[in-house]
Amino acid sequence: DQQVKQNSPSLSVQEGRISILNCDYTNSMFDYFLWYKKYPAEGPTFLISISSIKDKNEDGRFTVFLNKSAKHLSLHIVPSQPGDSAVYFCAASEVTGANNLFFGTGTRLTVIP
Amino acid sequence: KAGVTQTPRYLIKTRGQQVTLSCSPISGHRSVSWYQQTPGQGLQFLFEYFSETQRNKGNFPGRFSGRQFSNSRSEMNVSTLELGDSALYLCASSPRGLDTQYFGPGTRLTVL
Repeated sequence: DQQVKQNSPSLSVQEGRISILNCDYTNSMFDYFLWYKKYPAEGPTFLISISSIKDKNEDGRFTVFLNKSAKHLSLHIVPSQPGDSAVYFCAASEVTGANNLFFGTGTRLTVIP
Repeated sequence: KAGVTQTPRYLIKTRGQQVTLSCSPISGHRSVSWYQQTPGQGLQFLFEYFSETQRNKGNFPGRFSGRQFSNSRSEMNVSTLELGDSALYLCASSPRGLDTQYFGPGTRLTVL
C-alpha cells in the first residue's frame, strides 16, 4: 500500500511561471518530509526538506509547504527554469525510523522555454 | 570528493538465477541504504547498513539480502530471481541522516 502518493505523473509549465508539485501521505506518524530531483541516468538528488514543526521551508527558488491536517505537502518552484525539468519525488519518514524513507512514484516536470 | 558508485550499471539475468550488486559509498560515509525503483511502485526502501550492521529493513522478502564491509562498501544479493525483480536498484550513502543521503546512478537489472 502506497503511503506516499504523487497523483500527477507529469506536469508542464512555461519558463518563468510557478511549478507546483503535490504530494499526499496516509501515515500520520510521518513527521519528516523531503523532495528529491532525478535526472535520467542519475540517482535522485536531495532538494529540500521540512519537519512537522514547520509549515513552510524556503531555499532559493524552492519552497515546500506542509499541511499536516490534510496530510499534504507541495513543492513550489518560482520562477521555473528549463534546467528544472526532471522527475521529482517526495519522501516521508517517521524520524524514529532512521533511514527508512517512503517515496512517492514521482512527477515528471517539463519546463517549456 | 568522488560520488557514490554502483557496479555493474546494467545486468541481465534469467529467472531463478541470483545476482549481486555492489555499492561504494562516498568516503567517510558509514551508512548505506538500498532502494528499488519500479515504474508502478516508485522508490521502495530495501534496507540500510551502518558500520557493518543492518540497522533498518523494508518490507521485502528474504530473497533480498545485503551486507556491508569494514570499508563501508556494500553488496546486495537477490536470490531466485523473479520477473518482478526487474528494476533500477539505487544505493545511497550518508554520514548521518535522511537529508544527507547521496544517491548513486543505480544498477538496471532486467530479469528474463
